Amino acid sequence: EIVLTQSPATLSLSPGERVTLSCRASQSISNYLAWYQQKPGQAPRLLIYDVSNRATGIPARFSGSGSGADFTLTISSLEPEDFAVYYCQQRSNWPLTFGGGTKVEIK
Amino acid sequence: EVQLLESGGGLVQPGGSLRLSCVASGFTFISYGVSWVRQAPGKGLEWVSAISGGGDATNYADSVKGRFTFSRDNSKNTLYLQMNSLRADDTAVYYCARNTAIRGGFFDYWGQGTLVTVSS
Repeated sequence: EIVLTQSPATLSLSPGERVTLSCRASQSISNYLAWYQQKPGQAPRLLIYDVSNRATGIPARFSGSGSGADFTLTISSLEPEDFAVYYCQQRSNWPLTFGGGTKVEIK
Repeated sequence: EVQLLESGGGLVQPGGSLRLSCVASGFTFISYGVSWVRQAPGKGLEWVSAISGGGDATNYADSVKGRFTFSRDNSKNTLYLQMNSLRADDTAVYYCARNTAIRGGFFDYWGQGTLVTVSS
């Protein structure tokens, strides 16, 4: 099973700040990585797929990068609606796995 | 508009059974795989099972293998998750989510979730 480790577990930031979230895989997963955003009481929403492709309707302030086993989600300037939990997920191997999540909270 | 609507959750005793349903609309159902993803209270996301568009291939997490069965009826645009021998650690919100490919992939649309509580 491929283990995805996200760091940090929690980030305390202010609106307007730049955010960088990390996701590290236990082995190479090529470019088969996605990022999701989840707000309390809601289902997750797909943000980024195949490392760097924004899903439909996702603002340009969200971007993804990386390759092999190290990946990053960047939010260029935090908006109030961006405070949420972010998960990475791999589709390289079965079972499909998620990282443990990073909570971005208001400072 | 793509929609996924889960139902069937509820309270069940340990060792009991429950069947979840997910009705899909707004897309060519047979062209997409679908997964169940669950989330225990206050915890992260856990993929549970996936089924291919044609229903001929299924995959399961080790934690549910042998206890859960995922099936689909493409004539009714409906998916079913039969859950047997339920345990307390199966307590979670269960989401059905459309896969981005006919088998496996990412999850581009999600239902609102249905809560399963396993407790005596």
